[in-house]
Amino acid sequence: SAVISQKPSRDICQRGTSLTIQCQVDSQVTMMFWYRQQPGQSLTLIATANQGSEATYESGFVIDKFPISRPNLTFSTLTVSNMSPEDSSIYLCSVESVYGGELFFGEGSRLTVL
Amino acid sequence: AQKVTQAQTEISVVEKEDVTLDCVYETRDTTYYLFWYKQPPSGELVFLIRRNSFDEQNEISGRYSWNFQKSTSSFNFTITASQVVDSAVYFCALSEAQAGTALIFGKGTTLSVSS
Repeated sequence: SAVISQKPSRDICQRGTSLTIQCQVDSQVTMMFWYRQQPGQSLTLIATANQGSEATYESGFVIDKFPISRPNLTFSTLTVSNMSPEDSSIYLCSVESVYGGELFFGEGSRLTVL
Repeated sequence: AQKVTQAQTEISVVEKEDVTLDCVYETRDTTYYLFWYKQPPSGELVFLIRRNSFDEQNEISGRYSWNFQKSTSSFNFTITASQVVDSAVYFCALSEAQAGTALIFGKGTTLSVSS
């Protein structure tokens, strides 16, 4: 299984600021996925990050709000820009097993926007 | 379009009761994967099972069992002799059966097991 480390694990942010979440994997992976879990809700896919190309965003998510970097096969960042209280969520990074099919998840970054 | 429906929002049982969590899915793909994840109060997502659409054999793992029925597009999860530690949110999810495909999650079922 892959070990995924996310930083920060939690943060309290002020409205209008931006925060970058880091995701580090202990092995090389092709695809990395960023999910959002709003309070009491399910997981919603924000975007798919492929190394060497621009991230692919799901409907309702845009690059200006959630810019993503994927500089190599073990690391990605998600920035939540110009935050509002509605952005208060857990943001999770996930990667696919090298054997395909199973997704592993980081422990999530819990953001609270005041 | 793919969709996962978990109609049960919350379930409460007493320890040692059996409980079944329902999952119904929609997909146009002929090949796909189905998953169950557990999210305890601590927040991390714990992988429980992955099932390939070609494998309709039911699976048992300890107190956990899964019933996959393609005819009704259901992938239900049963916990036998529930325990307090089973209290968590359980998510059913679906993905295309090809590399690099993200999961589509259901809304989750919150299971509360009391002693």
